[in-house]
Amino acid sequence: AQSVAQPEDQVNVAEGNPLTVKCTYSVSGNPYLFWYVQYPNRGLQFLLKYITGDNLVKGSYGFEAEFNKSQTSFHLKKPSALVSDSALYFCAVIRSNDYKLSFGAGTTVTVRA
Amino acid sequence: GAGVSQSPSNKVTEKGKDVELRCDPISGHTALYWYRQSLGQGLEFLIYFQGNSAPDKSGLPSDRFSAERTGGSVSTLTIQRTQQEDSAVYLCASTSQSGWYETQYFGPGTRLLVL
Repeated sequence: AQSVAQPEDQVNVAEGNPLTVKCTYSVSGNPYLFWYVQYPNRGLQFLLKYITGDNLVKGSYGFEAEFNKSQTSFHLKKPSALVSDSALYFCAVIRSNDYKLSFGAGTTVTVRA
Repeated sequence: GAGVSQSPSNKVTEKGKDVELRCDPISGHTALYWYRQSLGQGLEFLIYFQGNSAPDKSGLPSDRFSAERTGGSVSTLTIQRTQQEDSAVYLCASTSQSGWYETQYFGPGTRLLVL
């Protein structure tokens, strides 16, 4: 079975400060990892993914994530958070040769002005 | 270009009634997925269509749920004899190919409330 854990239900940061949203995974075989963001009453919006290659992945809106195989983590980061980054963030994993996304429970990010 | 579209955006129904939810994938995308987002269960996979292959229905929670995809494009998710526990947001996604590495692009969802 594959699973994703997002250990923090909520993350609160001040605008301009670094933002980190944590994600750890458990999957047999190679993991393929995704981050999505959801704004209120909207669908999921793709941010970035790790498939292979460089462990540091850069995505949309200034976000990046680092794949760490030894720690089975894929934390999402942004060097300087904006109020508009306030949303619900989901980490997800797919096992190779599969196609079903398994999602974490989500982390609510609030960026205060 | 146009993204994944879903209709209706909101649906309120009475317990025991049937509902149909529609998904229009991104033009040219061959793979289509349905997921459900609920407070108790989070985001969970329901069903997967790829081209003319038999769909993977392994995530459907009961036999009251069914889905079809006509002409390799539009998909309809049908819930018969709705129950209150069916209340959730139903999300559709599509990808350009069937590979596990492909990014799934999601629609805005249909918010279903069963009274």
